[in-house]
Amino acid sequence: DTGVSQDPRHKITKRGQNVTFRCDPISEHNRLYWYRQTLGQGPEFLTYFQNEAQLEKSRLLSDRFSAERPKGSFSTLEIQRTEQGDSAMYLCASSPSPANYGYTFGSGTRLTVV
Amino acid sequence: AQSVTQLGSHVSVSEGALVLLRCNYSSSVPPYLFWYVQYPNQGLQLLLKYTTGATLVKGINGFEAEFKKSETSFHLTKPSAHMSDAAEYFCAVILPYTGRRALTFGSGTRLQVQP
Repeated sequence: DTGVSQDPRHKITKRGQNVTFRCDPISEHNRLYWYRQTLGQGPEFLTYFQNEAQLEKSRLLSDRFSAERPKGSFSTLEIQRTEQGDSAMYLCASSPSPANYGYTFGSGTRLTVV
Repeated sequence: AQSVTQLGSHVSVSEGALVLLRCNYSSSVPPYLFWYVQYPNQGLQLLLKYTTGATLVKGINGFEAEFKKSETSFHLTKPSAHMSDAAEYFCAVILPYTGRRALTFGSGTRLQVQP
């Protein structure tokens, strides 16, 4: 297992377009998290899955954002009608249960909306 | 509610000098605390964590941190800085047994190491 993989690493899109990011967690980890990080800030929580169930969503996750983890393995994060304010690094992390072991993060997807 | 405050968004030290990065937390129950490091255009890597037990925890790359409940602090230290330590460091907290599963991160401290 090579860790948490995220694809793509970079995405440039025009305002108003839809984008989708993929995250492949460590295979034995049943918990998966999405975070957003803007320049000079710490990661901000977006949403959390345990297996295929989305158990928690942040208020940051507006109606334009949707996340899925259909079979409890990989996850996708879709942003519809992108805005310039969506430009950020989107980080995925996974952890075993219980989470006191800490997260393993992927390298992130950097989104630039022009 | 849980939160962390990292004092000093930028810290500069000379190579070989002591590294001290400050983190204070706020929580209603005993927390689990973590330090992560982030290199440019990379994800975050776990340096060390405190859950229960010994309050002085050792991590990778020679870093350690001490949980001080009376001071609500979890400062990160390293006796001798290396050039390769230059990175962004994040303190994070989670409250166990509260139903919350997500780490809350501080705003980060950028460590610069001067030759």
